[in-house]
Amino acid sequence: GAGVSQSPSNKVTEKGKDVELRCDPISGHTALYWYRQRLGQGLEFLIYFQGNSAPDKSGLPSDRFSAERTGESVSTLTIQRTQQEDSAVYLCASSPLGGSPYNEQFFGPGTRLTVL
Amino acid sequence: DQQVKQNSPSLSVQEGRISILNCDYTNSMFDYFLWYKKYPAEGPTFLISISSIKDKNEDGRFTVFLNKSAKHLSLHIVPSQPGDSAVYFCAATETGANNLFFGTGTRLTVIP
Repeated sequence: GAGVSQSPSNKVTEKGKDVELRCDPISGHTALYWYRQRLGQGLEFLIYFQGNSAPDKSGLPSDRFSAERTGESVSTLTIQRTQQEDSAVYLCASSPLGGSPYNEQFFGPGTRLTVL
Repeated sequence: DQQVKQNSPSLSVQEGRISILNCDYTNSMFDYFLWYKKYPAEGPTFLISISSIKDKNEDGRFTVFLNKSAKHLSLHIVPSQPGDSAVYFCAATETGANNLFFGTGTRLTVIP
């Protein structure tokens, strides 16, 4: 299919380890978002990429979190020295027009991260 | 602080009846509201939206109502079908923002 894909679908790691999550947006989508959903909570914005502009990192919860995107393609979200409170489903979304959250965001299935 | 709130974590409705999902928000700057639907093991999918210049938007069986003075919106599904069983997220944003603010979701179960 041509939807947003994420890998891995599930990741179990030990506290203190680094993890890297991957997102493949829909081809041609200029905007890419990362969200996370912790148990019992809503989706929480993490970071936004729009084309070659500087990313909006205002949602990243700590400096252990970082993300990169190469052009308008793949993005990786890295969490260093994972903590148990990082356990969540991490969702990636892409949008065809970008520049505004008014435009429909297409979500991937998410990566469920469990930190033991 | 949760700016978008869905106070009912779950709702059960008989097939054919109306489902009403509610959402409240605190940020008066929000001017665009969306509903997303999520099935297990899938990402949320866009369902319907409404701009703050309107108080109602209808799309087939789905209607969203916005009450700006009460900072409240609701999603009506009529008639409800078993395939509507999913988690529904309310989301909001404001001009100039880069992201959506989501509620915690309401799990709808439509009983055949």
